[in-house]
Amino acid sequence: SQKIEQNSEALNIQEGKTATLTCNYTNYSPAYLQWYRQDPGRGPVFLLLIRENEKEKRKERLKVTFDTTLKQSLFHITASQPADSATYLCALSGGGADGLTFGKGTHLIIQP
Amino acid sequence: SQTIHQWPATLVQPVGSPLSLECTVEGTSNPNLYWYRQAAGRGLQLLFYSVGIGQISSEVPQNLSASRPQDRQFILSSKKLLLSDSGFYLCAWTQGAWTDTQYFGPGTRLTVL
Repeated sequence: SQKIEQNSEALNIQEGKTATLTCNYTNYSPAYLQWYRQDPGRGPVFLLLIRENEKEKRKERLKVTFDTTLKQSLFHITASQPADSATYLCALSGGGADGLTFGKGTHLIIQP
Repeated sequence: SQTIHQWPATLVQPVGSPLSLECTVEGTSNPNLYWYRQAAGRGLQLLFYSVGIGQISSEVPQNLSASRPQDRQFILSSKKLLLSDSGFYLCAWTQGAWTDTQYFGPGTRLTVL
């Protein structure tokens, strides 16, 4: 069956360092992948979308890579700040009539 | 700009009671609408989606139902709540396909006692 794996343990990073979050998937051929940020008690907020033919996408301090051979996406936050602390969700779609499937998310804590 | 509203924000209901959660979208027309549930320690589970008025597709069999009486209104209902219905309910919309960027509402925290 299709499966999306994100590190279920919280990730603690020192302020100013680069935070790297991982999204692995199996039994998928996603057309594209999205990353969302979710704060406690609030709905997810879209951050970045990367397509299968793109290797890397950037937005300000955020960078996403997509390796369809490794079946993995990496999400990087450079110069991390305490305000970046949140849960980050990856979501995949096979495109067409397939729906969007979300991972369980990784809780990121940026320590001052 | 587009905005999405959900209410109530928080709800505590006894087992066996009915449920009605409402979602409305402003600033867009003919959106695709979605209901998700997020239980503690679990990912987002798609419950229903709608591509138009009166058109509802169910992803997971359960004692919940959804309706879309107007273009920008989506309602989640139950006749009798179960303990397992507790969770964080999120409404979302996309302008195009459901694989497009999803815009989520603020959510409703439902506790069934």
